[in-house]
Amino acid sequence: ETGVTQTPRHLVMGMTNKKSLKCEQHLGHNAMYWYKQSAKKPLELMFVYNFKEQTENNSVPSRFSPECPNSSHLFLHLHTLQPEDSALYLCASSRSGTRGSEDTQYFGPGTRLTVL
Amino acid sequence: GNSVTQMEGPVTLSEEAFLTINCTYTATGYPSLFWYVQYPGEGLQLLLKATKADDKGSNKGFEATYRKETTSFHLEKGSVQVSDSAVYFCALFGSGGGADGLTFGKGTHLIIQP
Repeated sequence: ETGVTQTPRHLVMGMTNKKSLKCEQHLGHNAMYWYKQSAKKPLELMFVYNFKEQTENNSVPSRFSPECPNSSHLFLHLHTLQPEDSALYLCASSRSGTRGSEDTQYFGPGTRLTVL
Repeated sequence: GNSVTQMEGPVTLSEEAFLTINCTYTATGYPSLFWYVQYPGEGLQLLLKATKADDKGSNKGFEATYRKETTSFHLEKGSVQVSDSAVYFCALFGSGGGADGLTFGKGTHLIIQP
């Protein structure tokens, strides 16, 4: 599935750096998601956007700042991260922007983030 | 809250063996249930899903049946191939409101040896 792309695929950053992760979906979907995948832990939902509006912030620290300028693009801005934030960050999209939808979520390949 | 429990891996099998990966869930209401697969270096792909009790999802020889009475959604395949080696995630989408994202299990790493 190449409908959801993420850049960069790998990122190494220091704790004082500012970086951004980018996600783009080519599927005409209205909802986009950020998930965090850490070793030996379940995937954790971070943020949900429906029709460019944030509908869910799952108690994510403020050092992670999402941005959704349109239905096709989603960013995750990173600032003063901690080593424990090192993980695979996955973006996903689904067709419907309606809250509570059961539509299938399509995932990108992820960005492997390492915080030194 | 919602939660998903699946068997810990890695699970190592020989080619053509029968596969079962157990998954049980806790949720309010009547969630939809999913199996996703993650091949090395790739994102998650939907493998199959079931949206109501007794539904059977199937794809690529894999099957799973939504069992409300046992709150389970075990993944099975009759004859595995080396190409099935991947990490398999059981997930649910709750119907009781709250987050629109999926709740995942920890994943089961499956290794198929020739």
